[in-house]
Amino acid sequence: NAGVTQTPKFQVLKTGQSMTLQCAQDMNHNSMYWYRQDPGMGLRLIYYSASEGTTDKGEVPNGYNVSRLNKREFSLRLESAAPSQTSVYFCASSEQGGAFFGQGTRLTVV
Amino acid sequence: GIQVEQSPPDLILQEGANSTLRCNFSDSVNNLQWFHQNPWGQLINLFYIPSGTKQNGRLSATTVATERYSLLYISSSQTTDSGVYFCAAGTSGTYKYIFGTGTRLKVLA
Repeated sequence: NAGVTQTPKFQVLKTGQSMTLQCAQDMNHNSMYWYRQDPGMGLRLIYYSASEGTTDKGEVPNGYNVSRLNKREFSLRLESAAPSQTSVYFCASSEQGGAFFGQGTRLTVV
Repeated sequence: GIQVEQSPPDLILQEGANSTLRCNFSDSVNNLQWFHQNPWGQLINLFYIPSGTKQNGRLSATTVATERYSLLYISSSQTTDSGVYFCAAGTSGTYKYIFGTGTRLKVLA
């Protein structure tokens, strides 16, 4: 049982490049989330998907897009990366009983 | 939206000491969870506790939803308890989990 799997684990981008962070869960959860964590800070919600086919903005959605591809997969896209998007990105899924997190993607934009 | 505040922001303990971490939230919530982020950055579920009290070994948690706070108790602390403790709160209608800024715990041998 893998839980929540994120790819890649590490990524370096140049300013202006685009990329997609992938997330998949095998717990049959309806809700999925993308968070970012900056050094010394808590997690801030970027986007979430309450169920397959729906997505909503969180606290810090600017500069990001998401796709809920199916019940298992929820991707996060940076169309034109900026240094301010350097962060650790976490994907999570939840159902009644709490949320479970992936291992994180450390993204550096230079 | 929901506001989540945690205290204290930093805590240093000697091994074997006990501690209480607090989480206050601004609105009624249906979901309240405690996490431990270890030094490698991994987020580990501790408790899903929208109300009541739960215990797991040396850790226990209590949420009083009507008074909008939750407490995490760590007894007989060990160096492996070091890291950052987060609470996250949400309402089932929106499915949004909002995190507090965390309590950074260091346990000294």
